[in-house]
Amino acid sequence: QVQLVESGGGVVQPGRSLRLSCAVSGFTFNNYIMQWVRQAPGKGLEWVAVISYDGSTIYYADSVKGRFTISRDNSKNTLYLQMNSLRPEDTAIYYCARREQQGDAFDIWGQGTVVTVSS
Amino acid sequence: IQLTQSPSSLSASVGDRVTITCRASQGISNSLAWYQQKPGKAPKLLISVASTLQSGLPSRFSGSGSGTDFTLTISSLQPEDFATYFCQQVNSYPITFGQGTRLEIK
Repeated sequence: QVQLVESGGGVVQPGRSLRLSCAVSGFTFNNYIMQWVRQAPGKGLEWVAVISYDGSTIYYADSVKGRFTISRDNSKNTLYLQMNSLRPEDTAIYYCARREQQGDAFDIWGQGTVVTVSS
Repeated sequence: IQLTQSPSSLSASVGDRVTITCRASQGISNSLAWYQQKPGKAPKLLISVASTLQSGLPSRFSGSGSGTDFTLTISSLQPEDFATYFCQQVNSYPITFGQGTRLEIK
């Protein structure tokens, strides 16, 4: 079945780095645009980044630009988010999500991975 | 593009008809989606392109609107519908979400 599984979250000190992974199955990964979305504790949803089918087009939210890098390995059916210079305000559940082919909404989401930035 | 949802919270009873609104700070055509999120779970897509219900979802959910004003309507609330609802604009980057509407049992 169609599935997205995030991993790589954890507790990290401010200023340190973390890399999240999102393993996909059940669909042809390189046919889909992929995104990361985060949700701080008790807060709403915040879009983080998007990557095109082949990785040639990427956009970031201003809050993470210059610190986070989205990438994908279509041979491994995996999406990544490299997070550098982490700040306490980056503490959140991080979800990977697939953009539907018609309509552009996010039709499939992973279960999320928790990132806590704290000293 | 800022999205403003109203109300922020809502108390209703099973069987009630409820409407949640989402207003965009500029026109976004019909590039709006609605999601449902339950505690501890990932968001679930309900409606895309303002009014297209996702396959397999009950017809009590409906969406409407275009431009800057949109609505999500649940025609007859069921116990499983008590959750938080978010709108999202996908017209342009950065993609943005409304702040959410928490739907609680009265």
